[in-house]
Amino acid sequence: GDSVTQMEGPVTLSEEAFLTINCTYTATGYPSLFWYVQYPGEGLQLLLKATKADDKGSNKGFEATYRKETTSFHLEKGSVQVSDSAVYFCALSDQTNTDKLIFGTGTRLQVFP
Amino acid sequence: KAGVTQTPRYLIKTRGQQVTLSCSPISGHRSVSWYQQTPGQGLQFLFEYFSETQRNKGNFPGRFSGRQFSNSRSEMNVSTLELGDSALYLCASSGGNYNEQFFGPGTRLTVL
Repeated sequence: GDSVTQMEGPVTLSEEAFLTINCTYTATGYPSLFWYVQYPGEGLQLLLKATKADDKGSNKGFEATYRKETTSFHLEKGSVQVSDSAVYFCALSDQTNTDKLIFGTGTRLQVFP
Repeated sequence: KAGVTQTPRYLIKTRGQQVTLSCSPISGHRSVSWYQQTPGQGLQFLFEYFSETQRNKGNFPGRFSGRQFSNSRSEMNVSTLELGDSALYLCASSGGNYNEQFFGPGTRLTVL
């Protein structure tokens, strides 16, 4: 079945460092891809999305490009802030199961001043 | 627009009891999905309702059930609670735009 694999955390960075969180997927068909963020004690917030190959999703300085050839959707940010500390989830949704999301295990990011 | 709301936010039950959780989607959204989040299993899809009909179901036992009302509000019920049902239960609503789902804050269920 469809699945998402994320790099293990925690990822620990100093403020203003460059961030990459790796995400690869396995899917039949052509899924939409998402990054969600979860702050402590809260639900999930959609960070960015891409719906077809070569699309680049971006929001709040975060970016991810839908790479069909490598089945990847890596999250990047050029300069992280302490406020970016959270858990990040990569997810896909199958085009045939329109509102079912399959999530990766999540990657905790800790940013220190 | 108001976001997705879930009630209650916290719940403590004992084994064998049953529980009902409620979710109110964003106004105009007709699809509501439920997910269970635990440290061991991560985020797992429970089921999805669209226009009062269950459209998708995850791999959970029959103790987990749900329904959706004509105003799109949804409830999920867990009967005969087990310790392993302790989790954060998240509800998400969608307006159907490229599967973009909006999540509520969750209900944290503790089973003692």
